Amino acid sequence: RKEVEQDPGPFNVPEGATVAFNCTYSNSASQSFFWYRQDCRKEPKLLMSVYSSGNEDGRFTAQLNRASQYISLLIRDSKLSDSATYLCAVKQAGTALIFGKGTTLSVSS
Amino acid sequence: EPEVTQTPSHQVTQMGQEVILRCVPISNHLYFYWYRQILGQKVEFLVSFYNNEISEKSEIFDDQFSVERPDGSNFTLKIRSTKLEDSAMYFCAIQTGSSYEQYFGPGTRLTVT
Repeated sequence: RKEVEQDPGPFNVPEGATVAFNCTYSNSASQSFFWYRQDCRKEPKLLMSVYSSGNEDGRFTAQLNRASQYISLLIRDSKLSDSATYLCAVKQAGTALIFGKGTTLSVSS
Repeated sequence: EPEVTQTPSHQVTQMGQEVILRCVPISNHLYFYWYRQILGQKVEFLVSFYNNEISEKSEIFDDQFSVERPDGSNFTLKIRSTKLEDSAMYFCAIQTGSSYEQYFGPGTRLTVT
């Protein structure tokens, strides 16, 4: 049973493209949701928390659908610097974050 | 964003040896976490530590592992007798306030030979 699943990658897009990632979670009691960005051999960096009402931070928009148990991340106007692995993380009843395997994005010029 | 440092950045050890990985949060936090990431795999939770006690641990966190906060600032992860499969990146994370957001340190790359 996979607790957090993400779109298989890699996503290869040109600069300026819009790209969307989805993440599904199995535990309906999950409480908090996050997107992290991870560069090669570096630590996960918090990109944004995901709220029930959806939230936007510049070119990034995150949405949560509790009924269908998925969260999404939309990146508009992709930049070369957006190339990274994007990790979905879910907090259930305890304190731990449960991570997906990540989706790799490669933005090319 | 809260700052967390970890030492060493890279540790090479022989199978069966003990290692201690250190985490130093820049400011005071109550919640600390250790995660690991085997190369090419997902980030996995090991243990959470709150108010100087373990609050949750995963199946990975067996008797070979221990955590402590010896001097009120450093937060350590000890692996008593390392195995080849312990080779991974080990990340310390801290949680701020009530938002449940966790911020990760730069990690320690552990190589067991």
